[in-house]
Amino acid sequence: QTVVTQEPSLTVSPGETVTLTCASSTGAVTSGYYPNWFQQKPGQAPRPLLYSTSDKHSWTPARFSGSLLGGKAALTLSGVQPEDEADYYCLLYYGDTVLIGGGTKLTVL
Amino acid sequence: QVQLQESGPGLVKPSETLSLSCTVSGGSMRNFYWGWIRQPPGKGLEWIGFVSYNIGITKYNPSLKSRLAISIHTSKNQFSLNLSYVTAADTAIYYCVRVGEWLHDYWGQGTLVTVSS
Repeated sequence: QTVVTQEPSLTVSPGETVTLTCASSTGAVTSGYYPNWFQQKPGQAPRPLLYSTSDKHSWTPARFSGSLLGGKAALTLSGVQPEDEADYYCLLYYGDTVLIGGGTKLTVL
Repeated sequence: QVQLQESGPGLVKPSETLSLSCTVSGGSMRNFYWGWIRQPPGKGLEWIGFVSYNIGITKYNPSLKSRLAISIHTSKNQFSLNLSYVTAADTAIYYCVRVGEWLHDYWGQGTLVTVSS
């Protein structure tokens, strides 16, 4: 059974840069998995941030960026803001199916 | 602005069928897929599946496929989810989602469905 793995939790200080990653148990994540990233705050629906590795939605703040890093999909927040404290999920396409990672809880202290 | 709104019972008995609808407003359903994602209370997201508006094909989570049906109701600008033989493990917030070219861009606010007798 294929599993998508994310860091369970990360802590960062305001103004710093942090990178969240998304790995596949099948091997290296490539652009062909079309990685998507979502942000979810308590009591809210997930908000899409990125798709196809690095493409941004019209509402995505400039400080969010996506890439492929060391065989994983990566979400980088540059200059973290207090309002970035949230859960972040990655989604990968596997042919006829889709898998979502377990999420990363980002704490901004 | 595309908006999606889930509707349906908030409580379903074990072994019965969970049925939800999603109404789409502010945009056409054509040329997109329409799907569902769920989230058990306090846990992560799980992809359920989606259906193509144009050609009606479906893609389902293999772990749910035997109990699952997602369909489009073109005249009502709606699509629906039916999940049969539910158990407590199916208790979750269910989100309806618009699925485009390799992206899931618009989400409903979610509706909590509890499976309990």
